[in-house]
Amino acid sequence: GQSLEQPSEVTAVEGAIVQINCTYQTSGFYGLSWYQQHDGGAPTFLSYNALDGLEETGRFSSFLSRSDSYGYLLLQELQMKDSASYFCAFSGQNFVFGPGTRLSVLP
Amino acid sequence: KAGVTQTPRYLIKTRGQQVTLSCSPISGHRSVSWYQQTPGQGLQFLFEYFSETQRNKGNFPGRFSGRQFSNSRSEMNVSTLELGDSALYLCASSTGTGNYGYTFGSGTRLTVV
Repeated sequence: GQSLEQPSEVTAVEGAIVQINCTYQTSGFYGLSWYQQHDGGAPTFLSYNALDGLEETGRFSSFLSRSDSYGYLLLQELQMKDSASYFCAFSGQNFVFGPGTRLSVLP
Repeated sequence: KAGVTQTPRYLIKTRGQQVTLSCSPISGHRSVSWYQQTPGQGLQFLFEYFSETQRNKGNFPGRFSGRQFSNSRSEMNVSTLELGDSALYLCASSTGTGNYGYTFGSGTRLTVV
C-alpha cells in the first residue's frame, strides 16, 4: 500500500529550529513534497525533493533519502506565523498526503 | 495571475440530496485534483483529471464523481449525501507534468444536515 507517517504535533519557541520527519511506504515514487496549511486556509506548496539531499528555500529546508524512504522539513528562525499544519506528500501512482504535523510556535 | 477558484465557498445540504462543486484552475494548468479534508482523516485524494480524462482515482464510493471540461474547469458531484460527507473539499491544479507544486483553491466547506 501507500502511506506516510508524520508526528502529530510539534512545539517549539520563537527563534528556534524544528525538524518535522516523514517516512513513507510506496511503490513507484517520484518525489516528496511539503505543504503548509494555516487554520481555515488552503495548503500552500513549500518544497519538493525528487533527488536525495537537501533543498533550501529561505528559512525552510527539505531533505530526502530515497534509500531510507525518509524525509524531513527543517524550519529555522521560527516565527509565530509558522504555527500551522505541515503535510508531507509523495507523488507516485497517486498524490498522497501524510496525516499532517501541527506546529505550535510559542513566544 | 488568478489562482485556483472554487465555488461555492460554503454549502449546507440535507442528507440524500446531491451537490455539485466547481473548480477553475490556474490558466494553463491542465490537471485538476480533488481532495476531501476532515479533522479525523486528513487530506484524502478523490480523483485527478487531466485533459478531460480521469487519470487517477482514490478510494471513495461511486457516489463521488467528477468531470473536466475542455477549458480545464472541473466539477465534482456527490450524490445521495450522507452526514459523513461533511468536509472541506479542496481542488488543486498543476501543469500536469511532474507531480509537484500543486496550487490549491480555498475550498468548499460542505455541511450535510
